[in-house]
Amino acid sequence: EAGVTQFPSHSVIEKGQTVTLRCDPISGHDNLYWYRRVMGKEIKFLLHFVKESKQDESGMPNNRFLAERTGGTYSTLKVQPAELEDSGVYFCASSPIRLGNSPLHFGNGTRLTVT
Amino acid sequence: DAKTTQPPSMDCAEGRAANLPCNHSTISGNEYVYWYRQIHSQGPQYIIHGLKNNETNEMASLIITEDRKSSTLILPHATLRDTAVYYCIVRVERTGTALIFGKGTTLSVSS
Repeated sequence: EAGVTQFPSHSVIEKGQTVTLRCDPISGHDNLYWYRRVMGKEIKFLLHFVKESKQDESGMPNNRFLAERTGGTYSTLKVQPAELEDSGVYFCASSPIRLGNSPLHFGNGTRLTVT
Repeated sequence: DAKTTQPPSMDCAEGRAANLPCNHSTISGNEYVYWYRQIHSQGPQYIIHGLKNNETNEMASLIITEDRKSSTLILPHATLRDTAVYYCIVRVERTGTALIFGKGTTLSVSS
């Protein structure tokens, strides 16, 4: 089966511009998560979708970040306007809904550089 | 979710077993122990998870103490490609709960 795919793999934008990251989860996975790793810091949870609904968005840093998952399939994470401190690697993960624990499967991330 | 404590770094010779410890003394009865790793700039990779019993798969073995306050991830024959940051994470038994990453252990495998 295809894994979690993220697009683009790299993005370089100027401060103040807008960037949209995309994540395609594994087919059939209703749980979708966004994480990011800022240089030198730990991997931080941003938010969690169950199908098209936001289950937990406690990790979203501020209102410049907007995540959507229309139709419960792929998800987008928009940063508008981008700031220098938004630079980092943004990871997406997915897992199926079933009783008990299911591991999260991660994509290889989008490296965002804001100059 | 309970907090975990891992050594910041470890070294291992190629071909030898790598034993990565993790303390989770405040773990609750309904929390699983998960291990992930991140190789260089790739996404985190799932390794193994367990609740009470020891677990083994094609990648590694997970040994959980009887009181569940600590665990050890064992890579039986480490290779250079196992050089990575290894994360021990406890996660409540509830479908869909997000993983919370700590600092992990940087494992360096050398020839």
